[in-house]
Amino acid sequence: QAVVTQEPSLTVSPGGTVTLTCGSSTGAVTGGHHCYWFQQKPGQAPRTLIYDTSNKHSWTPARFSGSLLGGKAALTLSGAQPEDEAEYYCLLSYSGHKVFGGGTKLTVL
Amino acid sequence: EVQLVESGGGLVQPGGSLRLSCAASGFMFSSYWMTWARRAPGKGLEWVANINQDGSQKYYVDSVKGRFTISRDNAKSSLYVQMNSLRAEDTAVYYCARDDGTLWGQGTLVTVSS
Repeated sequence: QAVVTQEPSLTVSPGGTVTLTCGSSTGAVTGGHHCYWFQQKPGQAPRTLIYDTSNKHSWTPARFSGSLLGGKAALTLSGAQPEDEAEYYCLLSYSGHKVFGGGTKLTVL
Repeated sequence: EVQLVESGGGLVQPGGSLRLSCAASGFMFSSYWMTWARRAPGKGLEWVANINQDGSQKYYVDSVKGRFTISRDNAKSSLYVQMNSLRAEDTAVYYCARDDGTLWGQGTLVTVSS
């Protein structure tokens, strides 16, 4: 099965902008991978921020956005807040099977 | 209230079996693909398996194929995973989720240890 790669860790300053990426061992990530982005904080269940690459839920803060960038899926956080410090996971679909990325630990400092 | 509640976790010896359940409420359970995912201590999330609305399509991560079986009972609004031949590396918090990612349970801990 495919391997999905993410940056293990990133740091962003409060109010700053950061982009997390999600790559696939099978090649370029496309809309057909229906990328999801999840946020997980310690002791909590994951929460979906983005679905189908770029769509937001009603609860997704406006500062988060999803896109395709250079053959990868990307999650951009513009105007980071202290409460955004968390782990972020992408999830890609492969004809029924799904694979999570290894996760990115985002520090707001 | 729209929610998913997992149960059935616990301590089991290597080679043993366990059946997890997930009770859904507050939404039309039979209309959704459903998923099991897990998070092992110190590791990231891992997608385990999913099942379509009528149970006719099921997909598994390679590491559990032949050992885990996902199933559902739409009349009871419940999702299940039967886990056999358990290994230490199956130790994790197991989450039930709607396959569209919009709803997750709080998880149930499975510990495989002698």
